Amino acid sequence: EPEVTQTPSHQVTQMGQEVILRCVPISNHLYFYWYRQILGQKVEFLVSFYNNEISEKSEIFDDQFSVERPDGSNFTLKIRSTKLEDSAMYFCASFASKPFSDTQYFGPGTRLTVL
Amino acid sequence: AQSVTQLGSHVSVSEGALVLLRCNYSSSVPPYLFWYVQYPNQGLQLLLKYTSAATLVKGINGFEAEFKKSETSFHLTKPSAHMSDAAEYFCAVSDGGSNYKLTFGKGTLLTVNP
Repeated sequence: EPEVTQTPSHQVTQMGQEVILRCVPISNHLYFYWYRQILGQKVEFLVSFYNNEISEKSEIFDDQFSVERPDGSNFTLKIRSTKLEDSAMYFCASFASKPFSDTQYFGPGTRLTVL
Repeated sequence: AQSVTQLGSHVSVSEGALVLLRCNYSSSVPPYLFWYVQYPNQGLQLLLKYTSAATLVKGINGFEAEFKKSETSFHLTKPSAHMSDAAEYFCAVSDGGSNYKLTFGKGTLLTVNP
């Protein structure tokens, strides 16, 4: 069964450093998402991406964040200068689009720890 | 704007007992509703979904949920809990709009006692 994969599973970085989180969505999907979950809190939407551009972003997704689909398979989230409060689990998700599916499929997540 | 409220951050049941996890939503348009489960150190797995068809939805692992528009609820139930059901459960809503983004509740941690 096709699945969304994410690398790395755990990333530790120093405050102020740049990090890139990688995702490989399901191959025939058209919509891509990043969500995050701060420890003990709910899963929050960050950004959606469709047709090679951001289609919606949340207030959390400020200028420090960017997304890219560089090669038609990978979907990346870059945090330019990490802050302590960026420590969280980051989930990538993909979605085929109607009428094929109503469901977003999630990857296993990348746990980001900012020291 | 959409929102989801999950009553009870932690629910504890005995093995074999009924599981009831509550979810209420707010949406200005007919919603699409989902329950996801997260096992320790794993990602989010879809349990079941409501997308405007039958109001009683059956999912994996014996779970089901009923969409009640009048109560704006989508509670998750399972007649008999199993130890393997111990996990965190998230209710989510989508307006089915152009971006299909999900808005999640805070989650309910289910523990199952032997």
